[in-house]
Amino acid sequence: DVVMTQTPVSLSVSLGGQVSISCRSSQSLVHNNGNTYLSWYLQKPGQSPQLLIYKVSNRFSGISDRFSGSGSGTDFTLKISRVEPDDLGVYYCGQGTQYPFTFGSGTKLEIK
Amino acid sequence: EVQLVESGGGLVQPGRSLKLSCVASGFTFSNYGMNWIRQAPGKGLEWVAYISSGSSYIYYAETVKGRFTISRDNAKNTLYLQMTSLRSEDTALYYCARHGERVMDAWGQGASVTVSS
Repeated sequence: DVVMTQTPVSLSVSLGGQVSISCRSSQSLVHNNGNTYLSWYLQKPGQSPQLLIYKVSNRFSGISDRFSGSGSGTDFTLKISRVEPDDLGVYYCGQGTQYPFTFGSGTKLEIK
Repeated sequence: EVQLVESGGGLVQPGRSLKLSCVASGFTFSNYGMNWIRQAPGKGLEWVAYISSGSSYIYYAETVKGRFTISRDNAKNTLYLQMTSLRSEDTALYYCARHGERVMDAWGQGASVTVSS
């Protein structure tokens, strides 16, 4: 199975600030078809996860351009700029390149 | 608006069975693969199973293979998860999620399953 390692476990940021979350996979996430199926999800307190980013850098419908994804192969990053109160929660990276799909252990974002 | 509504959760004794349902609306259910993902209390996300739009392809996590069965009824816009031989470690909130291009692009609110004597 592909192991997804996220860092940091938690971070605290001031409103308006910028943060980066790292996600590393134990194997390349490049699929045979050339696509890289790395996605990012946000689980707000008491809510279900929601999709933010898919295929490394594509924002899902309705997602603010304050969220951006980058990376390739085994190393990926989620950046959140101009942090707002509604951004707090746990961020998960996930891979869909091969079954079983796997997720990182999560990064908890707190607002200072 | 895409909606996924799970039901069927509850308290069950170890070794017993339970069947979860997920009713979909707001999109053409028969065009999409579907997943079950679970989250143990205070823990992260664990993918459980996938079923393709026409039920031709089915995959399971090793932790549930042989005990859980994913199925769907496209005429009823409903996804199922039959869980047997339940263990304490199966205690979790079970989400159904729509399968986008190898991504979970819509999630339900979850059904709580507690396995305890």
